[in-house]
Amino acid sequence: EVQLVESGGGLVQPGGSLRLSCAASGFTFSSYEMNWVRQAPGKGLEWVSYISSSGSTIYYADSVKGRFTISRDNAKNSLYLQMNSLRAEDTAVYYCARDYYDSSGYFDYWGQGTLVTVSS
Amino acid sequence: EIVLTQSPATLSLSPGERATLSCRASQSVSSYLAWYQQKPGQAPRLLIYDASNRATGIPARFSGSGSGTDFTLTISSLEPEDFAVYYCQQRSNWPPPRFGGGTKVEIK
Repeated sequence: EVQLVESGGGLVQPGGSLRLSCAASGFTFSSYEMNWVRQAPGKGLEWVSYISSSGSTIYYADSVKGRFTISRDNAKNSLYLQMNSLRAEDTAVYYCARDYYDSSGYFDYWGQGTLVTVSS
Repeated sequence: EIVLTQSPATLSLSPGERATLSCRASQSVSSYLAWYQQKPGQAPRLLIYDASNRATGIPARFSGSGSGTDFTLTISSLEPEDFAVYYCQQRSNWPPPRFGGGTKVEIK
C-alpha cells in the first residue's frame, strides 16, 4: 500500500525556518517524481514545488522561489522541504504528493498533510 | 498565467441525482486537465486525468469531458460519499500546475 507521511509542521514566527519531511513507503520511491502542494485554511490548493526522481530537476512556485528548497534522499525514501524566511501567507497544510506518471503534472497519492502556522 | 474558473461555487443536490460541474480555462489547456475530490480533513483524491480518463480505482459514475477551455465533471448518480469539494487542475505548459477554486457539492 502506498503511504506518504508528512512531519515537521508547527508554529513558527515570521522570518523563521522550518523543515518538512515526507516518508514514503509501498512503492519504489526513487522511480517517482514528487511534489509539495499546500492549502491555506479554508482555501484552495496551491502547488509549491516539484523534484524529479533523481533530484536533478527542480521547480518552484513564484510565491516561494528563493525561500524554499525541495530535496530528496532516495536511500531513505524521503522528501524534504526546507522553508526559510517564512511569512504569514505561508500558513497552510502542506501535502507531499506523488506524480501520477513521468512528468504528468497530476498527483495520484497524497499524504495526510502537516500544518504550518506562521504567526507571532 | 492560465486561470481556471469553476462553477457553480456550490451545488445542492440529493443522493441519486446527477451532478454536473464546470471548469473553464482562461486559455486552451488542450486535454491536460484533472479533477480531484476532497473531503473535510482529508487529502485530495485524483479522479480524472487528461480530461476524460478515470484514475485507478475510481467508480464509473465519475466521468470527465471537454477539451481546450471548457471541461465538465459528471457524477451520474450521487452516492452519500460523493458530497465533497471538487477541484480541477491544469498541467498544460507546467510548471506551475494550477488549480481551480473548487465546487462544493452539498446535500440538499
